[in-house]
Amino acid sequence: AQSVTQLGSHVSVSEGALVLLRCNYSSSVPPYLFWYVQYPNQGLQLLLKYTSAATLVKGINGFEAEFKKSETSFHLTKPSAHMSDAAEYFCAVSDGGATNKLIFGTGTLLAVQP
Amino acid sequence: GAVVSQHPSRVICKSGTSVKIECRSLDFQATTMFWYRQFPKQSLMLMATSNEGSKATYEQGVEKDKFLINHASLTLSTLTVTSAHPEDSSFYICSASRAGMDTEAFFGQGTRLTVV
Repeated sequence: AQSVTQLGSHVSVSEGALVLLRCNYSSSVPPYLFWYVQYPNQGLQLLLKYTSAATLVKGINGFEAEFKKSETSFHLTKPSAHMSDAAEYFCAVSDGGATNKLIFGTGTLLAVQP
Repeated sequence: GAVVSQHPSRVICKSGTSVKIECRSLDFQATTMFWYRQFPKQSLMLMATSNEGSKATYEQGVEKDKFLINHASLTLSTLTVTSAHPEDSSFYICSASRAGMDTEAFFGQGTRLTVV
């Protein structure tokens, strides 16, 4: 069975500071990993995904994540936080099978202080 | 890009009535669609997976007779909440994927259901 664990349900950073959102996964097969962002009362927007190509993945809005197999991690980072980054972030894993079924973490609410 | 449209975005219904939520893939054929439920400040809980032309596969603990899912075409899946009760109030989100072409699923905007 696959699962993801997001450490820290709430993260607060100052505008301009580094953003680090943590995600660890568990999978018996090579995983596909995703980070999504959700704004209030909206659906999910894909930030980036890892599909067994480059281990450092660059996404939209300046976010990136690094797949580390030895640490079973896929942490999301951004060098400089903007106020508009305040949202809920979800890490997700799939086995890349035909259905692309996603298993989500519990989410991390990012607050950005002026 | 791949666009998934979910309708309605908000719905209020009376307890005991049924409500239907539509999920459409606008510019691609969705071989598989997923329905999620999200409680306030919580993660997405997968309710069921539906493949076009076949019965949906429900996750453990999800009542299939209460949450009717139909995936009659490659561009449309519907979720009907039957005999709704206040505890069914939630945010419902659909996603769609196209087998063999992507490694990701594309999400609708979500539906806020309030049962009064």
